[in-house]
Amino acid sequence: GENVEQHPSTLSVQEGDSAVIKCTYSDSASNYFPWYKQELGKRPQLIIDIRSNVGEKKDQRIAVTLNKTAKHFSLHITETQPEDSAVYFCAASGPGANSKLTFGKGITLSVRP
Amino acid sequence: DAGVIQSPRHEVTEMGQEVTLRCKPISGHNSLFWYRQTMMRGLELLIYFNNNVPIDDSGMPEDRFSAKMPNASFSTLKIQPSEPRDSAVYFCASSSGPGEQFFGPGTRLTVL
Repeated sequence: GENVEQHPSTLSVQEGDSAVIKCTYSDSASNYFPWYKQELGKRPQLIIDIRSNVGEKKDQRIAVTLNKTAKHFSLHITETQPEDSAVYFCAASGPGANSKLTFGKGITLSVRP
Repeated sequence: DAGVIQSPRHEVTEMGQEVTLRCKPISGHNSLFWYRQTMMRGLELLIYFNNNVPIDDSGMPEDRFSAKMPNASFSTLKIQPSEPRDSAVYFCASSSGPGEQFFGPGTRLTVL
């Protein structure tokens, strides 16, 4: 089955700097890669996703890039703000109506004011 | 839309007791997922349903766990008997197909 790994497990950046979070996946058939943000005590919420037919997607201060050859994808956050502090999960799923998401372990991002 | 609804939000019980967690997916969504989240193990998929049919229950830890989806608007996750190691946050999520899953607020379970 699919295996998704995130590194590092924690990341601390200064407010205003950029943050990059990387994930790798194992199943070359995977074609959907979402990123979820979970604030303390809250539910995971989708912030951006990408499908395998594109290499990059942007939404204001966040972007996701996908390298299918290397089987890794990354979340980029520019001009970080304290409210970006949270746990970020990457996930991957394959094609088909019965596909499921496989989540990484999550990375804790801390933005220092 | 009210989003995915879970109840109870918090549950404290004693070891050996039966626990039932409930979930109402978003209307029109045909897929429903049960996850367990702990610090040690992260977010684990326990079981998921498509059109009320269980598709993959390989994540269910043991026979003490069972899940049902009697109709498109309701699902339960039952633990009988409960053990302290079952303490976790249990999330239900729903989706309308391959793609974004919408999570409920979760049930925080504490087994003493």
